[in-house]
Amino acid sequence: AQSVTQLDSQVPVFEEAPVELRCNYSSSVSVYLFWYVQYPNQGLQLLLKYLSGSTLVESINGFEAEFNKSQTSFHLRKPSVHISDTAEYFCAVSLYTGFQKLVFGTGTRLLVSP
Amino acid sequence: EAGVAQSPRYKIIEKRQSVAFWCNPISGHATLYWYQQILGQGPKLLIQFQNNGVVDDSQLPKDRFSAERLKGVDSTLKIQPAKLEDSAVYLCASSLESSVNTEAFFGQGTRLTVV
Repeated sequence: AQSVTQLDSQVPVFEEAPVELRCNYSSSVSVYLFWYVQYPNQGLQLLLKYLSGSTLVESINGFEAEFNKSQTSFHLRKPSVHISDTAEYFCAVSLYTGFQKLVFGTGTRLLVSP
Repeated sequence: EAGVAQSPRYKIIEKRQSVAFWCNPISGHATLYWYQQILGQGPKLLIQFQNNGVVDDSQLPKDRFSAERLKGVDSTLKIQPAKLEDSAVYLCASSLESSVNTEAFFGQGTRLTVV
């Protein structure tokens, strides 16, 4: 069975500081990994995804995540956060068995303060 | 391109009452998902449609929850009767198809409070 663990429920940081949001997964088959972001009062939006190839994937707004198979991790990082990055971040793993099924972690709330 | 539309945005009902949520996916999207997001938890898949057929409803409490997708487009999710533990945000999402590299687009959700 697949599962996703996000150990940090909340991460407070100051503006322009670096941040890492942790995600670990368990799966007995090949995995496809995603990070979704949920801004206040909005739906989930895809931030970035790992399907295959380079283990380092980047988003258009400066976030990056690295797939580490040996550590079964897919941590999300940003070298310098902005106030506007305040949101809930969800890690998800996908299993394809004829159709895609997304399994989400419990989420990490990133709180950026001035 | 219009996004996934959901209504209502908020709903408050008493336990044992019935409630229905509506979802209009992005035009042309074959796959439609309903997720339940309880406060402090990640979204949990309730049911997934491919066109108008169900491909996964393993986590749908079928004694009280039901869902249908009319003509492979709009979908409704119904709870009858509601319980206190059904209080959550109900998210609808759609994707062009159900392959692994297809992005799922989410609506803003319906926040249900059962009192």
